[in-house]
Amino acid sequence: DAKTTQPTSMDCAEGRAANLPCNHSTISGNEYVYWYRQIHSQGPQYIIHGLKNNETNEMASLIITEDRKSSTLILPHATLRDTAVYYCIAILIMEYGNKLVFGAGTILRVKS
Amino acid sequence: KAGVTQTPRYLIKTRGQQVTLSCSPISGHRSVSWYQQTPGQGLQFLFEYFSETQRNKGNFPGRFSGRQFSNSRSEMNVSTLELGDSALYLCASSITGGIRDIYGYTFGSGTRLTVV
Repeated sequence: DAKTTQPTSMDCAEGRAANLPCNHSTISGNEYVYWYRQIHSQGPQYIIHGLKNNETNEMASLIITEDRKSSTLILPHATLRDTAVYYCIAILIMEYGNKLVFGAGTILRVKS
Repeated sequence: KAGVTQTPRYLIKTRGQQVTLSCSPISGHRSVSWYQQTPGQGLQFLFEYFSETQRNKGNFPGRFSGRQFSNSRSEMNVSTLELGDSALYLCASSITGGIRDIYGYTFGSGTRLTVV
């Protein structure tokens, strides 16, 4: 699985969009980009994933560059409850036995 | 629907003892994975079980073991506990642990193990 690089921390004002970047320059053509977040003292929570195209769901949007070397997770209207550690993972989905390789993630602090 | 249930929530053990942690996956999920989270090493994969068989294993010593029952519930065991085993142990469930689980894994809230 490709290594991902994320900023250590970011701040965002409540109500504004939070844009979290992720670099995955060695990603292979069939590796997916997944985003999880972990709120203090809870297990990680799935947010969104993508392969080539941009994706949007009720939680967030995922923008993947055309060369797939980087991506951005967008939380359109950040709230205080979005304060968490956000993990970007590049993973080749196998037929079975998949494992998630978590890096250090980005600490997002949403401030009022 | 009920989420992934891990018990106990907190546990304090003495060095040298052994411990068993339990994970009940979401109903219908047959794959259970275990992860260890520590401040120094972050989240690390321990092993994955499906249909009572271990299919993948991380880089942990043999003191860490697990099993899965026919109802998909899983337990992990750590023998001869060391201070460094103090961590948050998380389990995650998915339908198959495979390519059809494209929408990811559902994690429990974890068991906080403290070794003294």
